[in-house]
Amino acid sequence: DTAVSQTPKYLVTQMGNDKSIKCEQNLGHDTMYWYKQDSKKFLKIMFSYNNKELIINETVPNRFSPKSPDKAHLNLHINSLELGDSAVYFCASSLISGGPNEQFFGPGTRLTVL
Amino acid sequence: DAKTTQPNSMESNEEEPVHLPCNHSTISGTDYIHWYRQLPSQGPEYVIHGLTSNVNNRMASLAIAEDRKSSTLILHRATLRDAAVYYCILRAYSNSGYALNFGKGTSLLVTP
Repeated sequence: DTAVSQTPKYLVTQMGNDKSIKCEQNLGHDTMYWYKQDSKKFLKIMFSYNNKELIINETVPNRFSPKSPDKAHLNLHINSLELGDSAVYFCASSLISGGPNEQFFGPGTRLTVL
Repeated sequence: DAKTTQPNSMESNEEEPVHLPCNHSTISGTDYIHWYRQLPSQGPEYVIHGLTSNVNNRMASLAIAEDRKSSTLILHRATLRDAAVYYCILRAYSNSGYALNFGKGTSLLVTP
């Protein structure tokens, strides 16, 4: 059973479109995260939710909107996609919002904006 | 969070021990030292973490210098599956969000 799953694995779309990436964890964790890994391979935090509540919101364009319908799911919706949004997006989860604690990462969604 | 410095790349032979260094001279007293690794085309994977004392788990050992200004991740017997980018990350304890700041990491090549 996959602990943290993301769909889709690959997403190719045109500039200006709106797209969503879904994430689900079956670990019973309270906290979920979205990270972005750019072409230079740097992984940066975007958002974190604890029990459906936003607790971390880094400097991310407001075209990105996370949504957590329940604590097992954290989706990422992106409006008006731009070329610079091309990256691999990773979802992660952890037992609690504080630390230190282990984060479990999903397999990633490779987004390509043409 | 304090900055870490790691070599860009290292190479090891299969079945030999690997020592991956990390310098963190500006570490604060509340910073935990975490190691994650990322295998090709996969998400990062937790390896180990510690605060002051050396730590062992089934994957690796973490040796922390007495002054905490450096640490070493030890893989006791490298396998081909250990080829990955290894990230040393410092993060102070927090009770409201524990995002990790990944640097460039060390790319480990394991040769048969």
